[in-house]
Order: sequence, then C-alpha cells, then structure tokens
Amino acid sequence: SYELTQPPSVSLSPGQTARITCSGDALPKQYAYWYQQKPGQAPVLVIYKDTERPSGIPERFSGSSSGTTVTLTISGVQAEDEADYYCQSADISGTYQGVFGGGTKLTVL
Amino acid sequence: QVQLMQSGAEVKKPGASVKVSCKASGYTFTDFHIHWVRQAPGQGLEWLGWISPASDGTTSAKRFQGRVTLTRDTSISTAYMDVSRLTSDDTAVYFCARGGENGFDFWGQGTLVTVSS
Repeated sequence: SYELTQPPSVSLSPGQTARITCSGDALPKQYAYWYQQKPGQAPVLVIYKDTERPSGIPERFSGSSSGTTVTLTISGVQAEDEADYYCQSADISGTYQGVFGGGTKLTVL
Repeated sequence: QVQLMQSGAEVKKPGASVKVSCKASGYTFTDFHIHWVRQAPGQGLEWLGWISPASDGTTSAKRFQGRVTLTRDTSISTAYMDVSRLTSDDTAVYFCARGGENGFDFWGQGTLVTVSS
C-alpha cells in the first residue's frame, strides 16, 4: 500500500525556521496537503495543493514540492505552533485511496 | 459558517456495530464529498473512506472494505458511517471532514468510539 513518510519529531526554539518533510513515490503526480492538530482538537488544514495557504492561516506557514518530497516550512516558529503535523495525499492507481503520513510532533523549546 | 456536527460518544462491545452521524450546515451539502478519518489513542490519522452526497458514490480504504459502510441523507444534510464487527483495535476518535480539491477544509468535532467488553 502507498505510504507517506515523515520524521517523528522536530524540536527548535522560538523564532527559528521549522521544516517538516513528507516523502512518497506518487507525490510528483498527486497534490499534498498539510494539517495541524493540537491535543484534543480536530485537525486544521494549513496548506493545500502543495503550496497554497487557506485564508486565516498565518503567512509564516508555507509549502513546497520537489520530486518525491514535499516540505512544510514554518518561518519564525511561535509557541502556539507546537502541535502534530500530518501530510496527506492520495493513491489513485485504482479507486481513490486517501493516505496520511505518520505525523510529526513539533516541539517549541 | 460551515459546520460539521457529529453524534455523541459511543461504547460498544466487541462484535457489535456502531453508526456515527455527521450533519453539515452552512454550505450546499451535495457540492462536496464527506471523508471519514479516525485516530486511535496516541496514534496518527487514518483515512477510512469518502462519500459523494451528490451521487451516493462511495470508496472505503481497502483494509476496511466490507466492514465500513458510508451513507447519506440529503434531505437532512447528514452523512453516516457504519463500522461493523468491532474489536478493541477500533477504539478511536472518528472524524468527518468536508473534502474537495482544496483538501479537507472543515472537520467535525470528532466522536469517541470505545470498544470494550
């Protein structure tokens, strides 16, 4: 089955730049999406179609894509950004099958 | 404003079934798919399937095919997910989410399903 691979954790200090990667063989052909989830809450979409930012999401969140890897970048991390981040895409080799990466815990020290 | 309101927490015994509802408001129900995602305690997100409220077409994740049934009632803008033959591994928070080409842009609050004898 199709898999998306993320690092389990990223730790950094406030003001630094966080880069969270997500790798998958089909990413050159399928868009990726990023979700932020804080404890006890539903996920929130922060990036769609690899690089687009929904309204209401701070400008410090950005996305990029290169080959089989997509990257979520948070420029000038703030304490409120501490959360789990999940990438999501799809396997459309047959019928649509959604898939999530394993998630990355962002800790702001 | 767009809202997805899910039904309340459930406690079920192994082997039973559970049905979770997701009522949409603030947009035209038939314009977007509804996706279902679950999260076991301390674990990541797992995609379960989607339904097109417009066509009633559905797709379930391969490992849940035969055990997850997705339905909808357009008259009350509500989608349903039925999971059968529950085991303790199905204990999780189940989410519905509005899905389109711009991703899962709105989510329900989640429904905790506990499977315990």
